[in-house]
Amino acid sequence: NAGVTQTPKFQVLKTGQSMTLQCAQDMNHNSMYWYRQDPGMGLRLIYYSASEGTTDKGEVPNGYNVSRLNKREFSLRLESAAPSQTSVYFCASSEDGYSGNTIYFGEGSWLTVV
Amino acid sequence: AQSVTQLDSQVPVFEEAPVELRCNYSSSVSVYLFWYVQYPNQGLQLLLKYLSGSTLVKGINGFEAEFNKSQTSFHLRKPSVHISDTAEYFCAVTLSGGSYIPTFGRGTSLIVHP
Repeated sequence: NAGVTQTPKFQVLKTGQSMTLQCAQDMNHNSMYWYRQDPGMGLRLIYYSASEGTTDKGEVPNGYNVSRLNKREFSLRLESAAPSQTSVYFCASSEDGYSGNTIYFGEGSWLTVV
Repeated sequence: AQSVTQLDSQVPVFEEAPVELRCNYSSSVSVYLFWYVQYPNQGLQLLLKYLSGSTLVKGINGFEAEFNKSQTSFHLRKPSVHISDTAEYFCAVTLSGGSYIPTFGRGTSLIVHP
């Protein structure tokens, strides 16, 4: 099983450029998430999707947009990249809205904005 | 709202020594508790979780954690560490019967020296 797959793994952007991070899961999960990880800050939730057709803001949504394309796919878009968005981005999924569920993570996307 | 504090940002230890990674949480309602591990350049994966029942929880790779409600703690332990345990460890909490979005601690870097 592939689990959660995200692309690209590495990307360098210039300030003001746009890009989309793609994520797909093959576990038939309802809930999907985008996190960013910065040194000393732990994981911070950007957006999440409780189920197909719904999306909600997390802790740090500014500068990002998301699309839940279908049950499998959840993309994250940076419309006008800024150096402050240099980070490691993780897509994740869980079965549903039960708070005891395990969250499954992708391997991360390293984004540098220059 | 719930919060998680990981008391040590970095824990250096020699191979075959015991280790304890500390996690405290705050919440006014019942919680579920998780430990995730992140190996270098990878995503997070579940080590163990406490949902109910025995307060001593055993996880993968010889790790265990004890839920202490009176001290609001969920410390992670391993009696003898290996070089391959070098990783970042994250404690996380959700509200039982409430929000399923976990709150993560800032992480503890376990560095195992030969």
